Amino acid sequence: NAGVTQTPKFQVLKTGQSMTLQCAQDMNHEYMSWYRQDPGMGLRLIHYSVGAGITDQGEVPNGYNVSRSTTEDFPLRLLSAAPSQTSVYFCASRPAGLYNEQFFGPGTRLTVL
Amino acid sequence: SQQGEEDPQALSIQEGENATMNCSYKTSINNLQWYRQNSGRGLVHLILIRSNEREKHSGRLRVTLDTSKKSSSLLITASRAADTASYFCANSGGSNYKLTFGKGTLLTVNP
Repeated sequence: NAGVTQTPKFQVLKTGQSMTLQCAQDMNHEYMSWYRQDPGMGLRLIHYSVGAGITDQGEVPNGYNVSRSTTEDFPLRLLSAAPSQTSVYFCASRPAGLYNEQFFGPGTRLTVL
Repeated sequence: SQQGEEDPQALSIQEGENATMNCSYKTSINNLQWYRQNSGRGLVHLILIRSNEREKHSGRLRVTLDTSKKSSSLLITASRAADTASYFCANSGGSNYKLTFGKGTLLTVNP
């Protein structure tokens, strides 16, 4: 199993550009999440999904869209990139249920100029 | 924000010493989890403790949970240089679906 994969690993955008961060998992996990990690802020939840067709907002959803058309894929879209979205983005997945660990992807380092 | 808080923010110890990190959270929880992150990498799950458990062990790791104080601690015994990493606690915050992470403790183990 590849686990949780993310592409690209690095990305530089100009303010106002849009892009999609890709995330895929091959473990048939129901739950998937996107986090951003900034220095001194820890990980903050952007959006999450509990299954195909079901998504919900996390702590910092503004400026981001998600969709979950399949169990495997959970892309994160930046609609109009801003310098405040410069961060490291992590995708994660876990099986449904209260007591299951979360598996993380390797991250995407995004810089918005 | 339901984000928890780890304490201390940074900890530097010598190889062989024990390292203790603390975590406080704000809401009722179903479980609390600890994760490790090596520099530039994704997080890796270490251990999970359920809300009805008070202590759990896994190898050199010992986790305690005090739901009355809304706090948890992670003890790493006989630390090694390879334990150098950031450590995060995560809690369910009463949700069945979300995990909320704290800001982390940066542990440096000096050889």
